[in-house]
This record gives sequence, structure tokens and C-alpha cells, in this order.
Amino acid sequence: ILNVEQSPQSLHVQEGDSTNFTCSFPSSNFYALHWYRWETAKSPEALFVMTLNGDEKKKGRISATLNTKEGYSYLYIKGSQPEDSATYLCAFLDSNYQLIWGAGTKLIIKP
Amino acid sequence: GAVVSQHPSWVICKSGTSVKIECRSLDFQATTMFWYRQFPKQSLMLMATSNEGSKATYEQGVEKDKFLINHASLTLSTLTVTSAHPEDSSFYICSAIRGRGHRQPQHFGDGTRLSIL
Repeated sequence: ILNVEQSPQSLHVQEGDSTNFTCSFPSSNFYALHWYRWETAKSPEALFVMTLNGDEKKKGRISATLNTKEGYSYLYIKGSQPEDSATYLCAFLDSNYQLIWGAGTKLIIKP
Repeated sequence: GAVVSQHPSWVICKSGTSVKIECRSLDFQATTMFWYRQFPKQSLMLMATSNEGSKATYEQGVEKDKFLINHASLTLSTLTVTSAHPEDSSFYICSAIRGRGHRQPQHFGDGTRLSIL
């Protein structure tokens, strides 16, 4: 059974602080790892699609790293702002094109 | 770019009614669309992959006759929940891939909250 786990389940961060959270996935049959941001009352928005071990991608204050050998990806947010409050979802795509979603990390930025 | 529209956003109806949900890619052609269901405080559960011009591929445990999917054009996929019952109440959301290849990011609709009385 393929399992994708995200931790922590929820996170409260003071505005201005940096933070990070984890997506763990199977270390075999890796094809791609997706990160999405899902704000309340909006649709999920694609952040990154990561495919190579050691990949590091950046979009503004948000960045992500990938370790396919040990099966984890970190998402980092630098200098958190209130607009960063959202649920961050990762999805693991295996070589059979099976996409498994994590339950998400709910991030709340306190002003 | 890459806007996906889902309609309706909220449905409340009586048990036994069939409900159709539409998913449209507004500014791109989508060969592949996905239908998800989300239970409270749980992750997105893929129900089926909708391929334009061919039958949908359903995930294990999803009843094909219950959840009818039609992807008749490159910009429209529909999910029909047939003879809906209270246990079908859930949040349904669709997504579409721009271009080909599963590594492409998915572009999501706003979702449909279905409540069956």
C-alpha cells in the first residue's frame, strides 16, 4: 500500500518567521512529486513539480527540496506572511502514474 | 492562464436525485481531467481519470455505474452522481492537465459541495 504522509498536520507560525514542513513518500518507483497550496474558498494551486533527486525549486519566498532515495521533500517558507496561510498538499506520482495525495499541512500565520 | 471552472459550486437535493457536475478548462485544451472526492479532514481521493474521447479509468472501489463520467470534448468533463443518497454527500473537485504527461501540474476547479437530504 502506497502511503504519503505530511507532517505536521497543522502549524501556527508568527508573521515574519520562517518555517518548513515535510512530505514523506515511498522511496521506490518514483516518478514525480507535486506540491500544491490550497487556500480557503479557493482551488488548489500548483507550486512545484519535482522530478530529480536533489532538486531544489523556488518561487518567491517558497522553496522545496527533494530526496527520492530516502523518500522525503521539504517545503520552506521564508519570512511568513498572512497570505501564506493555507493547506499545503503534496502528491506522489509513481512510475505506474498512480498519484497519491498526502492529507496536507495546514499553515496558519499569526499577525 | 490554465483556468478550470467547475459548476455548480453547491448542490442540495433529495435522496434518489441524479446530480451532474461540470468541469471546464476555459483557456486550454485538456486531454486528461481528474475527479476527486474529499471527506472532512481527509486528503483528496482520486475517483477516476477522465480521458477525452474514451472511457474513464476508475480507481478501485469507485462504482462506475454510480459515478458516470463523460469527457466528450477537450474542454469539458462531466461527473453524474446517479440516484444520489446521503452517503454520497461530499466535496467533489476536478482538475485538468494542460498538455500531455503525468508530470504536468494539475489545474483545479473550485469544487462542488454535494449535500443529499
